[in-house]
Amino acid sequence: QSVLTQPPSVSGAPGQRVTISCTGTSSNIGANYDVHWYQQFPGTAPKLLIYGNKNRPSGVPDRFSGSRSGTSASLTITGLQAEDEADYFCQAYDSSLSAPGFGGGTKLTVL
Amino acid sequence: QVQLQESGPGLVRPSDTLSLTCAVSGYSVSSSNWWGWIRQPPGKGLEWIGYIYYTGTTHYNASLKSRVSMSVDASKNQFSLKLDSVTAVDTAVYYCARMAPYTFGSYFDHWGQGALVTVSS
Repeated sequence: QSVLTQPPSVSGAPGQRVTISCTGTSSNIGANYDVHWYQQFPGTAPKLLIYGNKNRPSGVPDRFSGSRSGTSASLTITGLQAEDEADYFCQAYDSSLSAPGFGGGTKLTVL
Repeated sequence: QVQLQESGPGLVRPSDTLSLTCAVSGYSVSSSNWWGWIRQPPGKGLEWIGYIYYTGTTHYNASLKSRVSMSVDASKNQFSLKLDSVTAVDTAVYYCARMAPYTFGSYFDHWGQGALVTVSS
């Protein structure tokens, strides 16, 4: 059982916009801990995609954006490309666990 | 650039101890960062195992705390993980990662490529 809740899968056609949600509680996102996102391709390590809710590390296209509101956060991908097909994980610190927690991951399929 | 590389046995017998080392290059483990271990069972999500500071201060996942230990060897610029009394449920890809200093809940900004550890007799 993951600390944060994500939909198992989302899909979209090339060029479309997709949003992946990440739902937390009052002990993590709702406690004003920031949300971070990772992208993982099969057989490879996760890669930092978004940190601090909305910031992109150098090299991450601006097609990827993030937001946080209340006890939830979202990752939005605009202008979807075939190369975006991957698993996406959200992460935030949880004060009740005194530990970082991850979402269960969302598999993005580009139709 | 910062690079991390896990190493250790890929097969561990049940009830034995899993031991992994993470070699860091391009950055000093003695810098102001925490260094973490995360695992991912086949086909499943990510689970935080724990992290360690270069001083040796550690924080472990409560569910694994009784079996986990971590250490840092600054002279070799590496840190290590030990997990005792393993069972099949400990089979996973184990990642080491650097934590970025951050006020509102840190994140992992650099990851190793991962090491698959299978627990089987």
